[in-house]
Amino acid sequence: ETGVTQTPRHLVMGMTNKKSLKCEQHLGHNAMYWYKQSAKKPLELMFVYSLEERVENNSVPSRFSPECPNSSHLFLHLHTLQPEDSALYLCASSQSGLAEDTQYFGPGTRLTVL
Amino acid sequence: AQSVTQPDIHITVSEGASLELRCNYSYGATPYLFWYVQSPGQGLQLLLKYFSGDTLVQGIKGFEAEFKRSQSSFNLRKPSVHWSDAAEYFCAVGAASNDYKLSFGAGTTVTVRA
Repeated sequence: ETGVTQTPRHLVMGMTNKKSLKCEQHLGHNAMYWYKQSAKKPLELMFVYSLEERVENNSVPSRFSPECPNSSHLFLHLHTLQPEDSALYLCASSQSGLAEDTQYFGPGTRLTVL
Repeated sequence: AQSVTQPDIHITVSEGASLELRCNYSYGATPYLFWYVQSPGQGLQLLLKYFSGDTLVQGIKGFEAEFKRSQSSFNLRKPSVHWSDAAEYFCAVGAASNDYKLSFGAGTTVTVRA
């Protein structure tokens, strides 16, 4: 498998559930990202990991908890979410995290919070 | 911090006609500029990028973009649109002083009519 993969592709959860989103990159990159995409709004950068260390955390509520066990895998753990958290969650990776690096995106997880 | 504006939310174009999507950025120094495309159910794919040099950049799928510093613009063009170009297009700007962070516009949805 090549590129950036995300599972699951679709997720419906209640506000009291705990779930996790998984991202895997097969590109040998060192930086990985979580974005939130809501309709007609710019992509919101949530978290960035470089060489498995978190380097950005853009004021994201604590109900979102990222984990990067190695440079190929990135998780987003979800708990006690709100309906406004419903969105498409995109994972991306880049070679080193430099501003000029191309980011490669996965297909996203469509999250619905009931 | 850098920012991006895409003035057109939605554009409808006939198949075979030309297409131009507008992008204006705000950043004091020379930016890193990107255009991405997102087809339904897919992640974002890079069309082209500009860092320096020739201000007319060629990308994939027959797209090109022109960097105009005086207008703070990076408009995307295609001479003849195909039905498969129906998608959402995102302009993004990065800055050397702000690694890891790409600022995205809100996107332009392109509809292609037969």
